Amino acid sequence: EPEVTQTPSHQVTQMGQEVILRCVPISNHLYFYWYRQILGQKVEFLVSFYNNEISEKSEIFDDQFSVERPDGSNFTLKIRSTKLEDSAMYFCASTGLARGETQYFGPGTRLLVL
Amino acid sequence: DAKTTQPPSMDCAEGRAANLPCNHSTISGNEYVYWYRQIHSQGPQYIIHGLKNNETNEMASLIITEDRKSSTLILPHATLRDTAVYYCIVRGSGSGTYKYIFGTGTRLKVLA
Repeated sequence: EPEVTQTPSHQVTQMGQEVILRCVPISNHLYFYWYRQILGQKVEFLVSFYNNEISEKSEIFDDQFSVERPDGSNFTLKIRSTKLEDSAMYFCASTGLARGETQYFGPGTRLLVL
Repeated sequence: DAKTTQPPSMDCAEGRAANLPCNHSTISGNEYVYWYRQIHSQGPQYIIHGLKNNETNEMASLIITEDRKSSTLILPHATLRDTAVYYCIVRGSGSGTYKYIFGTGTRLKVLA
């Protein structure tokens, strides 16, 4: 069964450093999402992406964040200058041909900013 | 804010049916009800969704009230592996937003 994959599974970085989280969505999916979950808190929407542009973003998704689909398979989330409060699980999700289809989530990347 | 309300926690005996309720009294006509679960800190796992008819798949059944203001997820024979946080999410299907807004969910503990 096709699935969303994410790398790395864990990342430790120093405050102020740039990190890139990678996702490989399900192969025929066209809509992509990033969510995050701070330890013990709710899953929060960050951004949605379609046709090489951002469809919607939350207040969390400020200028320090960016997303890109650099090739036909990867979808990346970049945090330019990490802060302590960026420590969280980051989940990628993808949806098929229609926007109304079910989102399938990856296993997540645990980011720890020291 | 999430458009759904769920009890914070429930227990269920192994082998029994787990019935997880969800209130979504402000649901609109074109909004679907989705259920996901999250085991530990893993990615949310899709379970089932529906619009107004009851739905069943290999994992669960979804019962939606006629007025669509509430629904119940039924795990027919709960196992220890079903211990997780279960999220009920209402999401549109038209030209509106497709993001998921997660609430705090129901923490289901299946007891041996």
